[in-house]
Amino acid sequence: EVQLLESGGGLVQPGGSLRLSCAASGFSFSNYAMSWVRQAPGEGLEWVSDISGSDDSTDYADSVKGRFTISRDNSKNTLYLQMNSLRADDTAVYYCAKARSKVPAAINHWGQGSLVTVSS
Amino acid sequence: DIQMTQSPSSLSASVGDRVTITCRASQGISNYLAWYQQKPGKVPKLLIYAASTLQSGVPSRFSGSGSGTDFTLTITSLQPEDVATYYCQKYNSAPHTFGQGTKLEIK
Repeated sequence: EVQLLESGGGLVQPGGSLRLSCAASGFSFSNYAMSWVRQAPGEGLEWVSDISGSDDSTDYADSVKGRFTISRDNSKNTLYLQMNSLRADDTAVYYCAKARSKVPAAINHWGQGSLVTVSS
Repeated sequence: DIQMTQSPSSLSASVGDRVTITCRASQGISNYLAWYQQKPGKVPKLLIYAASTLQSGVPSRFSGSGSGTDFTLTITSLQPEDVATYYCQKYNSAPHTFGQGTKLEIK
């Protein structure tokens, strides 16, 4: 059974940093692209970033480019999202998500989400 | 960047009705489109990928069609458990934008 368990969320002041982790199990982690998707309170889904399972290439939404960094440690089956220069509009539930293939594709498994609140 | 526009933003239908949700891309994306269902307080769930391929375990009353810029999600006979918000997502190239969502309620 595929499991994605996020951790690292919490309350942070504007301008601060936070690192989210996603522990993956139940599948061959290195063989799949992984994504972060967020959802602000009462709002829709927003794609944030993904990382390929073939060559570790990465992509970012314009709203986070230059501030967030996605990475993966295949030896630990763990996905990361380093978030710097956080702003109030980064407040959201952040979902770790697994794609259907090595390259970014439709998401067939989602974590339960980790809430990040940016507030003073 | 390619924009994804869903319509309607919300709709109300009766049990047993045929429901259609539309997703339009501002440029062609071939069939690189997925549909998700998010029930209140729950995690999104993949329904359809490659525009028309039903994800394993999804009831056959759900179907997807389209290619290029215009796509539809159809529920042939609406059930009470289908109350949810539905999202489309493009994944041909980054950014992998979601539509704004369609909230489906039972009349």
